[in-house]
Amino acid sequence: DAKTTQPNSMESNEEEPVHLPCNHSTISGTDYIHWYRQLPSQGPEYVIHGLTSNVNNRMASLAIAEDRKSSTLILHRATLRDAAVYYCILRDPRGSTLGRLYFGRGTQLTVWP
Amino acid sequence: SQTIHQWPATLVQPVGSPLSLECTVEGTSNPNLYWYRQAAGRGLQLLFYSVGIGQISSEVPQNLSASRPQDRQFILSSKKLLLSDSGFYLCAWSVQYGNTEAFFGQGTRLTVV
Repeated sequence: DAKTTQPNSMESNEEEPVHLPCNHSTISGTDYIHWYRQLPSQGPEYVIHGLTSNVNNRMASLAIAEDRKSSTLILHRATLRDAAVYYCILRDPRGSTLGRLYFGRGTQLTVWP
Repeated sequence: SQTIHQWPATLVQPVGSPLSLECTVEGTSNPNLYWYRQAAGRGLQLLFYSVGIGQISSEVPQNLSASRPQDRQFILSSKKLLLSDSGFYLCAWSVQYGNTEAFFGQGTRLTVV
């Protein structure tokens, strides 16, 4: 399974932008970059995903490096409800792993009021 | 719309007792189904993966087994629980061969005493 590297923890103040980095230097051409987040005692929640181009949705933006070896999840204005563990995952729906999601340790985001 | 049901929410079982956790999905057909476990303070570990009825792939050797008796039903079982089986168990589903997100249930908190 493909590997990603994320910082263990990050902090932000409320209403400030947050940039969560992820390194995936061994990414293959068919791997999509997915982000999930998990609040305490809940199942993970999908945030966003992309392949090559930057992506935006109502929750966040995903900036993907030109060589695809790293990406950044951007929360434009952090709220207290954004405090969670954020997971960066590589997913290949047609490769040997058939789209299975392998979670790492993720980044614990703390948001201060 | 699609929904995923997982029960029970919490469970306390003695060592050596059997286990049966059930997960059902509504509103979709032929989904990929997953069982994950999260030990306290740890990341999510993929336990089992299923692409169809009766088709189960085990990711790690363990004291647990999984079955898929119906298209949208996924069951996690054990004949004799160990203390190390304690954790937060999550069921998830995704569309087959599509690069969409996975959807997680609310989880079962299992404590083996």
